[in-house]
This record gives sequence, structure tokens and C-alpha cells, in this order.
Amino acid sequence: KQEVTQIPAALSVPEGENLVLNCSFTDSAIYNLQWFRQDPGKGLTSLLLIQSSQREQTSGRLNASLDKSSGRSTLYIAASQPGDSATYLCALKNLMDSNYQLIWGAGTKLIIKP
Amino acid sequence: EPEVTQTPSHQVTQMGQEVILRCVPISNHLYFYWYRQILGQKVEFLVSFYNNEISEKSEIFDDQFSVERPDGSNFTLKIRSTKLEDSAMYFCASSEEAPYSGNTIYFGEGSWLTVV
Repeated sequence: KQEVTQIPAALSVPEGENLVLNCSFTDSAIYNLQWFRQDPGKGLTSLLLIQSSQREQTSGRLNASLDKSSGRSTLYIAASQPGDSATYLCALKNLMDSNYQLIWGAGTKLIIKP
Repeated sequence: EPEVTQTPSHQVTQMGQEVILRCVPISNHLYFYWYRQILGQKVEFLVSFYNNEISEKSEIFDDQFSVERPDGSNFTLKIRSTKLEDSAMYFCASSEEAPYSGNTIYFGEGSWLTVV
């Protein structure tokens, strides 16, 4: 059964630093992996989607990478800002079983200190 | 930018009551979903809906739950006889194509359900 893990559960860094958030999964047979942002009490905003055939995707200061063989994805945030403070979740689409559902990590709560 | 809208944003209901959560997916999207997130826990898939029928549901989505697309724009989740453990944030989502195609899924802001 696919398990998605995000470590650490929380991270606090000073403004301006570059940082990496981690997402690991146990079964490398995936269609795609998506990174989301969740603000407190709010919805889920899609940040980046990586197909299984891709190695990375970039959007502005965000760069997501995917290494299926090691069961790992990272979200790199450059020059962090206080507005980046949120919970970041990764979710993936399994290759084999379910056709529709995403399997989620528990998220990393990121705090950027001014 | 088009968005998924959900109502109500927050609802408090007594145990045993029926609740209907409403969603308006993005207009040209064909696939609709409900997910939930119990406070402090992972997001969980409930159900997906395509072509006016359920395409997939999880073990959570038992007979207590039902979904409906009553018209061309709304997508509803009904929870009959609510229980305390149904308290959660319920997210509606939609996508233009199926998730295995690599299409991004767009989520609404969620409906907080508190069962007392």
C-alpha cells in the first residue's frame, strides 16, 4: 500500500533563506505528484504538478523535483518570504490501483520569520 | 481565474442531523471530487464523480454519504445522520480531465463541518 511521508512536520527559517521540503513515497509506480499549499482554515492551492516522466517543474521561486527510483520529491523555495508561511502538502496519483484518488502526505508547516 | 466555490464555509450541526454541502466546480471541468481533512490528519479521498455517476469511492464513503449533481453547475455532498466523527473540513475539487492524465486538480476553500 502506498504511503506518503513528509518530514519534517514543521520548519521555521529566517526570511531570505533558500529551503527544501521533502516528500517520500514507498511505491515508485506513480502517474504524477503534485505540491499544494494550504493556509490556515483555507483550501488547497496547487503549486506544481510533476508527471512521472519528468524530473522537475519550476514556477517562479518554486522548483519541484521528482526521483521515482528513490521514492522522493522535493520542493525548493528560493529567497523565502513571510508570505510563504503555510502548510505544504504533496499528493500523488498511483499508477496501479485507483484511477481517481490522490494519496496525501501529512504536510510540512513552514514558518518564515521576518 | 476560474475557481471552485463551496458553501457554507462553516456549518455547525447536531448529531443525527442531515447536512448538505454545496460546490460549484469550474465550468468546463468534467471530473468532480470530495475530499475531507479531519483536524490534524491527512487529507482523505471520499468520492469522484464523472458523467453523472460515481466513478470511484473510498471506504469512508459509506451509505451515510451521497453525492448529486442536481443541475449543470452544482455538485453536492449529503451526509445523513451526522456523527461526531464526521467533523472535518470537506473539500470539493474539479479537474478538466482524469487525474491519471496529469491534469491539475483545483480545490475549493472547504466547508468546515462541526457536529455537536
